[in-house]
Amino acid sequence: QKEVEQDPGPLSVPEGAIVSLNCTYSNSAFQYFMWYRQYSRKGPELLMYTYSSGNKEDGRFTAQVDKSSKYISLFIRDSQPSDSATYLCAMILSYNTDKLIFGTGTRLQVFP
Amino acid sequence: DVKVTQSSRYLVKRTGEKVFLECVQDMDHENMFWYRQDPGLGLRLIYFSYDVKMKEKGDIPEGYSVSREKKERFSLILESASTNQTSMYLCASSPTQGASTEAFFGQGTRLTVV
Repeated sequence: QKEVEQDPGPLSVPEGAIVSLNCTYSNSAFQYFMWYRQYSRKGPELLMYTYSSGNKEDGRFTAQVDKSSKYISLFIRDSQPSDSATYLCAMILSYNTDKLIFGTGTRLQVFP
Repeated sequence: DVKVTQSSRYLVKRTGEKVFLECVQDMDHENMFWYRQDPGLGLRLIYFSYDVKMKEKGDIPEGYSVSREKKERFSLILESASTNQTSMYLCASSPTQGASTEAFFGQGTRLTVV
């Protein structure tokens, strides 16, 4: 079993839709949770990170962590064609470790 | 803006060649990382470095080595390239030890070994 599981998609939605992207994980010791966006043939760029459980909002993006269920989500409101990319979740055990564990990524397509 | 620059976007090398992938960051970050990214497998850590001349093995170091002679530069070396090393290679940096929540990635080098 992989430490971090992520549905590869593709997820295809119309412009303006609310998108929900999710990851599950097996190690309850993970404490920091990140979301990266990766456009085709580019490197990943950090969207946001959260610590432990709870929500964090940044513009149209909301990250949610449910540690009891070992489940994290990224919500995109009012999705745009420019949001079309692969979204990667990543996690680390604690602030004193640097080893990021990545999901395989979900490909999102937002059509006009 | 943090900039992580990888020297090549695309490379084609022959089996058995020694291959150097170069990465430079301009934000005085202490940590640097090399990952490879493959479909269905995601990003996997090859090597990382906390400081000049320091290196730590990641999850898949076999067939690779690294060099960090200067703080801003981290090189990945394929000692004898093989076809199963065909992949997208990504370099990343983060400010200090324990700050990988703020890791920044380069554009990637797509390496094909024939």
